Amino acid sequence: KQEVTQIPAALSVPEGENLVLNCSFTDSAIYNLQWFRQDPGKGLTSLLLIQSSQREQTSGRLNASLDKSSGRSTLYIAASQPGDSATYLCAVNDYKLSFGAGTTVTVRA
Amino acid sequence: DARVTQTPRHKVTEMGQEVTMRCQPILGHNTVFWYRQTMMQGLELLAYFRNRAPLDDSGMPKDRFSAEMPDATLATLKIQPSEPRDSAVYFCASGLEVGWTYEQYFGPGTRLTVT
Repeated sequence: KQEVTQIPAALSVPEGENLVLNCSFTDSAIYNLQWFRQDPGKGLTSLLLIQSSQREQTSGRLNASLDKSSGRSTLYIAASQPGDSATYLCAVNDYKLSFGAGTTVTVRA
Repeated sequence: DARVTQTPRHKVTEMGQEVTMRCQPILGHNTVFWYRQTMMQGLELLAYFRNRAPLDDSGMPKDRFSAEMPDATLATLKIQPSEPRDSAVYFCASGLEVGWTYEQYFGPGTRLTVT
């Protein structure tokens, strides 16, 4: 069974600082990895999907990398803003999603 | 703006009652997933449909849960009888095929409380 871990569980940074969120998984034979954002009491918003053949994906201030050999993915958020405060979840996507527990980010104004 | 819709958004019921949750996937998506989120277990897959056929329901307690997709615009998740341990947020997601997988788009969830 795929185990997905996200450390740290919570992170607080001042506005403008770059964010680095980590995700590790146990089975490197993954198909794809997907990053989500969840606001309190809300559903999940897909941020980036990295397919198995790719090493990274970018969207605006977000960049996600995938290193299958080491079982890691990293989400970078440049120049953080208070609106980036949310819980960020990574999930191994082999048609169904296996989620980590998430990292709750607080960006202080 | 295409979105997954779920009804009801909130449901409070008594133990033993039947609960039905509904999901309308994004038009054109041929896969539907049901997930459950709790503080203790996080997000877990309950069931998965492709082209309205159930492909994986291994995460679902079979004795009380059932999932169906009567047509391409409606998926249902039913619990009968409900128990307090079923209290959770239930998410539906529809999938857009990308390469060998599906990029999943989540609905807002149904928050279920069983007393």
